[in-house]
Amino acid sequence: GQQLNQSPQSMFIQEGEDVSMNCTSSSIFNTWLWYKQDPGEGPVLLIALYKAGELTSNGRLTAQFGITRKDSFLNISASIPSDVGIYFCAGQLSPGNNDMRFGAGTRLTVKP
Amino acid sequence: NAGVTQTPKFQVLKTGQSMTLQCAQDMNHEYMSWYRQDPGMGLRLIHYSVGAGITDQGEVPNGYNVSRSTTEDFPLRLLSAAPSQTSVYFCASGINQPQHFGDGTRLSIL
Repeated sequence: GQQLNQSPQSMFIQEGEDVSMNCTSSSIFNTWLWYKQDPGEGPVLLIALYKAGELTSNGRLTAQFGITRKDSFLNISASIPSDVGIYFCAGQLSPGNNDMRFGAGTRLTVKP
Repeated sequence: NAGVTQTPKFQVLKTGQSMTLQCAQDMNHEYMSWYRQDPGMGLRLIHYSVGAGITDQGEVPNGYNVSRSTTEDFPLRLLSAAPSQTSVYFCASGINQPQHFGDGTRLSIL
């Protein structure tokens, strides 16, 4: 089936640094979504992207829908300790097809 | 506003037992879905529904059944539990994609 490759698997950064992570696929996706998951909780939707080339921000977070529709990027600026968690990308396969694929996640650790 | 409610939060089963995981949402969302999350892996879609009376298979549907008799409820049934089904199960709802997740059901099959 369709695979999403998310990288990096983990990141250890200093508070205040910027963070970048990405997802790539061999398949075209109609929608890209980015989530954050804290321990013991369900994922929380951060940003949703619906058009190739779209760039969307949510506070210090910015995500982009790749032009080829096969990739997406998430950037976090000026990281803070509460940014710690696992970030997942997800892709919706095609219009009218609500099947979803998730990346394996990027585990972010922020050192104060 | 409760959002997405999953019950139970924890469950231990013996191999071969059956069980239903409950999921309810109070946001009148048409889209609901079930995922399993295993260590080191992302969420994998089991089944989803785009409205009452409509269900479809996701990436890993084998061993699981669903039904959608109302907009609010989307139960997941394990017909004959197997150790490979030990996992954390998440339910989600949204307008046409998973926007809100429950807190999960941690299921162990012995």
